[in-house]
Amino acid sequence: KAGVTQTPRYLIKTRGQQVTLSCSPISGHRSVSWYQQTPGQGLQFLFEYFSETQRNKGNFPGRFSGRQFSNSRSEMNVSTLELGDSALYLCASSILQGAGETQYFGPGTRLLVL
Amino acid sequence: GENVEQHPSTLSVQEGDSAVIKCTYSDSASNYFPWYKQELGKGPQLIIDIRSNVGEKKDQRIAVTLNKTAKHFSLHITETQPEDSAVYFCAARGRNSGNTGKLIFGQGTTLQVKP
Repeated sequence: KAGVTQTPRYLIKTRGQQVTLSCSPISGHRSVSWYQQTPGQGLQFLFEYFSETQRNKGNFPGRFSGRQFSNSRSEMNVSTLELGDSALYLCASSILQGAGETQYFGPGTRLLVL
Repeated sequence: GENVEQHPSTLSVQEGDSAVIKCTYSDSASNYFPWYKQELGKGPQLIIDIRSNVGEKKDQRIAVTLNKTAKHFSLHITETQPEDSAVYFCAARGRNSGNTGKLIFGQGTTLQVKP
């Protein structure tokens, strides 16, 4: 079974631009979570989607948004990019939403904001 | 708020020795504790997880122990090999997350296994 895939793998943008990242979960998985990873802050939860609905949101500004499609694929969008948005953005999927559900991570999209 | 503290930040061992990484969590209602291994240029890979109704779990050379009273859990790797070199993250899922998959991660431990 194929793992979680994320596209693109690398991205360079300039301040003020917006970006859209894509995540395809493992086949049959319905829950998708997004995390931001930086050397200074580590892994931080952005949001989670299940059945096309956002079920939880981390402490990030409204410039960070996401959505999930009926096939469970998910996208996240960052508008008005700032230098501090440079990070590895990770997507994780699990079969269901809920207590103790094992999450499997994709390889991430590395975003560099200049 | 929810917090997970992980120690040490770096760990260097000789091949064949054991390695232990410890984590402490703040939310006493946390009920799920996974460990991930992240190699350079890759996403975190789940290596073992434990739920709050279990005190210990083993999988070949890897074991995790959980002490709910002290709110800490540990990863034990025995007979370390050079390919175990990576960054290891602990995480916890608290009841404050509701019925969701939100994980709170520790800051990571860079493990180096010297041949």
